[in-house]
Amino acid sequence: DGGITQSPKYLFRKEGQNVTLSCEQNLNHDAMYWYRQDPGQGLRLIYYSQIVNDFQKGDIAEGYSVSREKKESFPLTVTSAQKNPTAFYLCASSKGKGLARWETQYFGPGTRLLVL
Amino acid sequence: LAKTTQPISMDSYEGQEVNITCSHNNIATNDYITWYQQFPSQGPRFIIQGYKTKVTNEVASLFIPADRKSSTLSLPRVSLSDTAVYYCLVGDTHSNYQLIWGAGTKLIIKP
Repeated sequence: DGGITQSPKYLFRKEGQNVTLSCEQNLNHDAMYWYRQDPGQGLRLIYYSQIVNDFQKGDIAEGYSVSREKKESFPLTVTSAQKNPTAFYLCASSKGKGLARWETQYFGPGTRLLVL
Repeated sequence: LAKTTQPISMDSYEGQEVNITCSHNNIATNDYITWYQQFPSQGPRFIIQGYKTKVTNEVASLFIPADRKSSTLSLPRVSLSDTAVYYCLVGDTHSNYQLIWGAGTKLIIKP
């Protein structure tokens, strides 16, 4: 059963702590993305990756880091530099290398990050 | 930056046809128009995509006039389960890649 999985569903972060959100896909997609969604708002792009071992900053990359060591995996680390990390985080993938604006994105179920 | 404009919210009743219009005045020649649906605490889900005229699939229709400066998502005979936020996206004419996600249209279906 193909799809995108994200874990955990809920994550709590203490002040000054780095936390990592997992994203795995078995769709054999080249491109992967991380978005942040605040209540009542649309999605904002954090990072995207078009190919293994390469990734690009999106609109709001400050305070976040990513890696793309495997095609299937695109973990997101929320660092202590991100002062307002409370949000709903969504991972997505698309078939090609993400260069076509018409590519359909497939989303995971999301991770809700809360600050203690 | 190019962006889309949609109504913030809409109400309708079960069994009705719902039309949600999106304005995208700066759409580029190569851009497609894509609509996504999002339920609370879930990731968005692709609904339909088109370039011009009319596209229909098993869940919706998309109407695009000749000038492509707007598009209308049509949901036939809605049910309570169609209550969700609907996003209209087109490519950003000023960047090489990024899509702009607005706040979407919150559609509430009443019994």
